[in-house]
Amino acid sequence: GEDVEQSLFLSVREGDSSVINCTYTDSSSTYLYWYKQEPGAGLQLLTYIFSNMDMKQDQRLTVLLNKKDKHLSLRIADTQTGDSAIYFCAAGTGDDKIIFGKGTRLHILP
Amino acid sequence: DARVTQTPRHKVTEMGQEVTMRCQPILGHNTVFWYRQTMMQGLELLAYFRNRAPLDDSGMPKDRFSAEMPDATLATLKIQPSEPRDSAVYFCASGLTRPDRSYEQYFGPGTRLTVT
Repeated sequence: GEDVEQSLFLSVREGDSSVINCTYTDSSSTYLYWYKQEPGAGLQLLTYIFSNMDMKQDQRLTVLLNKKDKHLSLRIADTQTGDSAIYFCAAGTGDDKIIFGKGTRLHILP
Repeated sequence: DARVTQTPRHKVTEMGQEVTMRCQPILGHNTVFWYRQTMMQGLELLAYFRNRAPLDDSGMPKDRFSAEMPDATLATLKIQPSEPRDSAVYFCASGLTRPDRSYEQYFGPGTRLTVT
C-alpha cells in the first residue's frame, strides 16, 4: 500500500524560506496534499496539487512535485513565527482515503 | 461555519476503565475517520467509515477498541479496558469530495486522553 515519508523536524530562522520535503510510494497517487496543524488544534488543509502539475503557488506557499521521483515539497517564503506548526504531507488517488505522513514539526528561530 | 465537534476535549482516566469518545461529523459528509496522534508514532489511522459502513479498521487494536456510527450525526470510539499506552490525542475527521475530485478531510479539535 501507499507509504508517505517526511522528516520529523525542521528549524528555520524567521524571514528565511522553509522547505519541507515528502516522498510517497504509490505512483497512481493523483492528488498530493499539505495539511497544517497548529498547537492544540486538528489538521487543516493548506493546499494541494494534481499529479499532472509540476508546481503550484499560493501567496507565500510553493508546492513542487517531481512525479518521476515521487517527491513533493512545500516551500514557505519569508517564514514567520505564525508558521510554527506541524505540516503533514498526504497522498490520495481521488477517492476518499488519503494516506498521511507522520508530520514535520517546523520550529522558527528568532 | 460547519465544524466537526468532538467530546470530551480532555479525559483523564485510570487504567482498566472504559473510555468513550464522540464525534459529530459535518452534515452532508459521508465519510468519517478516527485517528490517533502521539509524539512517537505521529498520526495513525484507526478506523474509517463511508455512509456509516466500516471500511477499514485495520489500524485499530481489535481486542480493546471499537468504532461505530449509530447514525449519520454521531461516531463513537470506545476503549475497554483502557491502558496507559492508549494515552494520545484522538482526532475525528469527516470528508467531502470536491468537484475536481480532490478530497478534503475536516478535522475536529481532538480528544486528549490520559490513562494513568
